[in-house]
Amino acid sequence: KNQVEQSPQSLIILEGKNCTLQCNYTVSPFSNLRWYKQDTGRGPVSLTIMTFSENTKSNGRYTATLDADTKQSSLHITASQLSDSASYICVVSAFKAAGNKLTFGGGTRVLVKP
Amino acid sequence: GAGVSQSPSNKVTEKGKDVELRCDPISGHTALYWYRQRLGQGLEFLIYFQGNSAPDKSGLPSDRFSAERTGESVSTLTIQRTQQEDSAVYLCASSFSGSSSYNEQFFGPGTRLTVL
Repeated sequence: KNQVEQSPQSLIILEGKNCTLQCNYTVSPFSNLRWYKQDTGRGPVSLTIMTFSENTKSNGRYTATLDADTKQSSLHITASQLSDSASYICVVSAFKAAGNKLTFGGGTRVLVKP
Repeated sequence: GAGVSQSPSNKVTEKGKDVELRCDPISGHTALYWYRQRLGQGLEFLIYFQGNSAPDKSGLPSDRFSAERTGESVSTLTIQRTQQEDSAVYLCASSFSGSSSYNEQFFGPGTRLTVL
């Protein structure tokens, strides 16, 4: 069964500090992995998408890594800001899967404190 | 509009009543998805529309849930005889095409449903 596990479930960090979120998946055969940011009361917004051949991708202060061999991804937030407080969702797709066959992780809730 | 819109933003109803939630996707997007997100939980897939093809209803939790889409435009999700466990945020998303998972899904702000 395809599964996506995220850790930690939640974390609190001080403004300006860095943090790393983890995503482990069992989706096979793998196609792509996307990280979404979901602000409170809003819909998720895509941060990055990574395919099998990509190891790292950045979007501003967000850097995603992918290790397709160990089936792990991480999202690193650099120099956190209060606006980074949100839930971060890892979403994985299998090869040739359509848009209705995504596997969603439960998310990591990040709280940035001043 | 520039993005996916949903209405109402909040809905409070009594147990046993029917509710109808609306989604306006991004113009030109052929694929439309409904998801449910319970408090503190991940997204649960409900139903998927792709153009004029038969919808994928595999995620609907019971026959009290149904959805329609008019062509490639607005969609409505209907919950009949609501139960307290239906309380959640219902998110709608659209994408240029649903045939490939590479196509980004753009989400609306959701409708928060509370069943008393």
